Amino acid sequence: GAVVSQHPSWVICKSGTSVKIECRSLDFQATTMFWYRQFPKQSLMLMATSNEGSKATYEQGVEKDKFLINHASLTLSTLTVTSAHPEDSSFYICSARGGEADIQYFGAGTRLSVL
Amino acid sequence: GQNIDQPTEMTATEGAIVQINCTYQTSGFNGLFWYQQHAGEAPTFLSYNVLDGLEEKGRFSSFLSRSKGYSYLLLKELQMKDSASYLCAALDSNYQLIWGAGTKLIIKP
Repeated sequence: GAVVSQHPSWVICKSGTSVKIECRSLDFQATTMFWYRQFPKQSLMLMATSNEGSKATYEQGVEKDKFLINHASLTLSTLTVTSAHPEDSSFYICSARGGEADIQYFGAGTRLSVL
Repeated sequence: GQNIDQPTEMTATEGAIVQINCTYQTSGFNGLFWYQQHAGEAPTFLSYNVLDGLEEKGRFSSFLSRSKGYSYLLLKELQMKDSASYLCAALDSNYQLIWGAGTKLIIKP
């Protein structure tokens, strides 16, 4: 299947700092990329949907000024958690849709711990 | 509204067969996906059905009935490594994935 690369896989930061997470589709052009958050033993929660060259569409309850999404090309999207706080600690997963049958492929996820 | 229903948890024995059911109600329908998610990892794609019938891929098979809004994932010859959550997701008319909460599958020796 198609490969989606997500970096970093693990990040620990101090409260108040910003963290950037990158998501790349390596062998296909992703028309749409998605950012999810997952707390332990809970379902995936869609945070936002982004299309290349346009503003991201955020789900209800997700602060767009706190979770900045940039989708600069058909293969790269970034999520920046600004002024991170301990409650932002979670597993963040990106996915990219494209290729055969418009399947969503997932990155390996980023585990964020805010101290 | 849009909704995906699947059992919360299932238990099966190593070497046996298990069927995980999923029913969906969506605004329009463009296919049904199954993903596997091991604890602490991101989901990985297992199968995609858009036409009625059974799709077989090794030990895993997926079935779809569009008229009934129903799908199942069949796992044969269960192995301990199959212990994971299995996520059912339907693609609606806007090509957005509607996710189920996942079925945690526990395999016992």
